[in-house]
Order: sequence, then C-alpha cells, then structure tokens
Amino acid sequence: AQSVTQLDSHVSVSEGTPVLLRCNYSSSYSPSLFWYVQHPNKGLQLLLKYTSAATLVKGINGFEAEFKKSETSFHLTKPSAHMSDAAEYFCVVSDPQAGTALIFGKGTTLSVSS
Amino acid sequence: DTAVSQTPKYLVTQMGNDKSIKCEQNLGHDTMYWYKQDSKKFLKIMFSYNNKELIINETVPNRFSPKSPDKAHLNLHINSLELGDSAVYFCASTYNNEQFFGPGTRLTVL
Repeated sequence: AQSVTQLDSHVSVSEGTPVLLRCNYSSSYSPSLFWYVQHPNKGLQLLLKYTSAATLVKGINGFEAEFKKSETSFHLTKPSAHMSDAAEYFCVVSDPQAGTALIFGKGTTLSVSS
Repeated sequence: DTAVSQTPKYLVTQMGNDKSIKCEQNLGHDTMYWYKQDSKKFLKIMFSYNNKELIINETVPNRFSPKSPDKAHLNLHINSLELGDSAVYFCASTYNNEQFFGPGTRLTVL
C-alpha cells in the first residue's frame, strides 16, 4: 500500500528566508507525487506534481520539489518565503490500484512571520 | 467559469436529518471523487466514480450514498446524520493524473 509521511506538522519561518517542507513516501509502484496547498477556509490548489519525468519539479509561486528515489523523499522548497505562503501544505501520492484516487499526508502548517 | 463547483458551501443541520451535497464539473472529465477532511485537516478518499460507475468505496458507513446522474455530476447523500459526520467534504475530478478540487462544503451536525 502507498502512503506519505509529512515529517513536520508545523514549520515557522521569517519572511524572506527559505522554506523546507519534508515528505517521505512509501510505494510499491512508480508513484505520482503531488504537493497541494490549502489557504485558510479555502479549497485545495495544486502546487506541483511529479509523474516520472524530471526529478526536479517546478511549481507555482516559486515552489519546487525534488524526487529522490534512493531516499523515498519529495521535499518542497522555496528560496524566499512570502507572507502569503502561510497555509496548510499536503504531500500526496497517487495510488494506481485505487483508480488514481489520492492518498494525503497529514499536512504541514506553514507560518510566516514578518 | 468554475471548473468544479459544490453546493451548498455551508450546511448546518440537526442529528438524524438527511442531507445532500451537490457537485458539478464542467471539465468533461470521466472520473469524480468525494473526499472528507476531518477537524484535524486530514483528507481521505470516500468514493470514486468513473463515467457514472462506482469504482472505489472506502470504508464509509452505508448512510453515505453517492449518486451520479451523469458524468458531470456526483452528488453525496447522507442519511441519519451523526455528530461525527461534521467535516469539510470536497468533490474532485481528474484528468491526466491531476485532480481538480471543488471549494468544499462545510457540514456541521448539531
């Protein structure tokens, strides 16, 4: 069975400093991996996705993630945090046995201070 | 135009009532889903429909029943609502391994 583990439930950074949100996955197949963002009381927005092409994936709003098979990781980074980045971030894996339904990590809350 | 829409956005009701949440997508996708987000923000798949046919039914009480009148709609009916059903319910559709989510319906059971 596939699963994802987000290693930090809460990350706090200062505006202008780098962001690192960590995610490890477990998969018996070649996974598709995603990062979604959820702003307070809002829906889910896709930040980026990995689907076995380039291992370094660039997303929206300056975010990127690197797929490392040897470490089973898919960490999300951004060079410089902005106040508007404060939100809940979900690392997600696609389960091919479940007809492309998504399996979500428990989420990381990113706080950005001025 | 909204790609995946849900109605209502908020739903407050009493225990024991029956309620429905509607979902529509105008993207022409064949596969649609319902997810539940609990109070700890954990998201979990409930149902998946492909072209009006149920293909996933996770361990969800049979008080929950999805209905797909056509491939653009996947409605969620909930009978005999319980306090534990309070959550945010998200509808989604998928294409090319990417899922598009609706804005969510916040259900509160009193």
